[in-house]
Amino acid sequence: GENVEQHPSTLSVQEGDSAVIKCTYSDSASNYFPWYKQELGKGPQLIIDIRSNVGEKKDQRIAVTLNKTAKHFSLHITETQPEDSAVYFCAAPGYSSASKIIFGSGTRLSIRP
Amino acid sequence: EAQVTQNPRYLITVTGKKLTVTCSQNMNHEYMSWYRQDPGLGLRQIYYSMNVEVTDKGDVPEGYKVSRKEKRNFPLILESPSPNQTSLYFCASSHYYTSGSRYEQYFGPGTRLTVT
Repeated sequence: GENVEQHPSTLSVQEGDSAVIKCTYSDSASNYFPWYKQELGKGPQLIIDIRSNVGEKKDQRIAVTLNKTAKHFSLHITETQPEDSAVYFCAAPGYSSASKIIFGSGTRLSIRP
Repeated sequence: EAQVTQNPRYLITVTGKKLTVTCSQNMNHEYMSWYRQDPGLGLRQIYYSMNVEVTDKGDVPEGYKVSRKEKRNFPLILESPSPNQTSLYFCASSHYYTSGSRYEQYFGPGTRLTVT
């Protein structure tokens, strides 16, 4: 069935270190992969996205990489800061309908001072 | 200001008492969607709508209804709420997903529902 698996579920890193979150999707036809950040008490907010014709995309300290062969994509945060503490979700379109959106189960990232 | 609004933000109700959670967006988005968020399960799509009078089921539609009579509004209706519908609900909107376009969903602030 349609599925997006996200790992790890929790991640704690020292401030200044890098954090990596990985997602695996099941539908090889998926071609759009966004990442959302959810701060406490708020709705998720898009932070970066990538299309299947691109292998990597960067935006300052965050980057997303895509491996279409292995069907996984990853979020990389470098030089982590306290404000990076949040829950992060990956997502992909469902194969039964591109209008369906399947989210990963989320990763709670904590930045240790 | 571009935004998605939801009301109410918090609701405690009893089993079987019909309720409606409203959702409104001011960005002229075609696509709107409802999600529920439960610990360890992430965001699960309940229903979505690609435009006025066009709705379809997401992954967890049982026990919910929606309508899309106007482009800006997408209410979520629980005809007979049960305790397993206790959850955090999010409404979201975006321009319609098409190949080559960005598909950023804008989320509302959430509605925390408790059914006793």
